[in-house]
Amino acid sequence: EVQMVQSGAEVKEPGESLKISCKGSGYSFTNYWIGWVRQMPGKGLEWMGIIYPADSNARYSPSFQGLVTISADKSINTAYLQWSGLKASDTAMYYCARLGASADVWGQGTLVTVSS
Amino acid sequence: EIVMTQSPATLSVSPGERATLSCRASQSVRSSLAWYQQKPGQAPRLLIYGSSTRATGIPARFSGSGSGTDFTLTISSLQSEDFAVYYCQQYNNWYTFGQGSKLEIK
Repeated sequence: EVQMVQSGAEVKEPGESLKISCKGSGYSFTNYWIGWVRQMPGKGLEWMGIIYPADSNARYSPSFQGLVTISADKSINTAYLQWSGLKASDTAMYYCARLGASADVWGQGTLVTVSS
Repeated sequence: EIVMTQSPATLSVSPGERATLSCRASQSVRSSLAWYQQKPGQAPRLLIYGSSTRATGIPARFSGSGSGTDFTLTISSLQSEDFAVYYCQQYNNWYTFGQGSKLEIK
């Protein structure tokens, strides 16, 4: 079974750094792009960026360029999304998804709460 | 950036009836259009890709159509589990989602 399993919920203070993860299983991890999607409370879906784990080629939506870093470790079939200085406005659910036939397999989501 | 506009924002339909949701792109996305369903507290689920191809395990009551700038998702006979938020997303030129359409029980 193809699965994307994300790391657990996080509560952080403004200015802190954070790295969340997304582990793929049941398929050849290096053959598919992986995307990250943000969903702010009560809002819609926003595409943040994508990465190709085979060579760690990452691309970002203009709205997120410079604000987050997407990386991957193909040796452990895991993609990452990280922040170097969180803001309260980063409070959201973050999803990873495998990009097969569009985003065909999704992780369960990681809730990030940023509050002082 | 390609802007995706969904209508209506909310659609109220009775179980067993047909529901039609629309999605319009600000420029042609060819057939690079997907539909997702999201229920409260759950991750989105892929329903349709390539404008009209059902994803694995998706019931035949879900169908998609359109190309270029205008697309439609039709649910032929609504079941209780179909009431949710639906998003369209283009992947012809980067990736962008529509704002979502909520399908609620009438």
